[in-house]
Amino acid sequence: DVKVTQSSRYLVKRTGEKVFLECVQDMDHENMFWYRQDPGLGLRLIYFSYDVKMKEKGDIPEGYSVSREKKERFSLILESASTNQTSMYLCASSGTGYVGIQYFGAGTRLSVL
Amino acid sequence: QKEVEQNSGPLSVPEGAIASLNCTYSDRVSQSFFWYRQYSGKSPELIMSIYSNGDKEDGRFTAQLNKASQYVSLLIRDSQPSDSATYLCAVIWSTGNQFYFGTGTSLTVIP
Repeated sequence: DVKVTQSSRYLVKRTGEKVFLECVQDMDHENMFWYRQDPGLGLRLIYFSYDVKMKEKGDIPEGYSVSREKKERFSLILESASTNQTSMYLCASSGTGYVGIQYFGAGTRLSVL
Repeated sequence: QKEVEQNSGPLSVPEGAIASLNCTYSDRVSQSFFWYRQYSGKSPELIMSIYSNGDKEDGRFTAQLNKASQYVSLLIRDSQPSDSATYLCAVIWSTGNQFYFGTGTSLTVIP
């Protein structure tokens, strides 16, 4: 089974802090994604990566950056956390040619106070 | 204009009935379509994909795609209480690097 592991299930940070959310997948997938999910807004794509050191902006990249130094790991960085970044963050991965067949991690619920 | 639209519901059906979930998408050259299921407090999981016009059946689930009318639907036959979840429609555009989820439809199956 594909396993996508997110480093934290719950996280509480203060406004202005730099926050790192980590995601690791064990299926040698090329594609990795970061989403945030908010009530009434659904899943919104923040960034995705289709290869090591490659990244593409999604719908809502403002206030976020990403890093992919190794194939299995994709990190989401909040440079200076703000209260409007309080959300559920979901990481996903998929294989080459199967962008739409995504496997999700359990999610990180981030609260910024 | 939203790229992918779903009726947020909630949709309630009695156990054993057919649940019909619908999704419309904006006028782009679309490529592939997916239905994900998300239980409360859990992550989305893929249940169906469909790439060409017509119906695709998998057990109690049938996905229907009509590109001319720009809609994709999911039928769940013999609905069970365990089908109670939010169902997310997702679309990939032909460029391959634009992937959108709808906001989801909440389904409740009443025993």
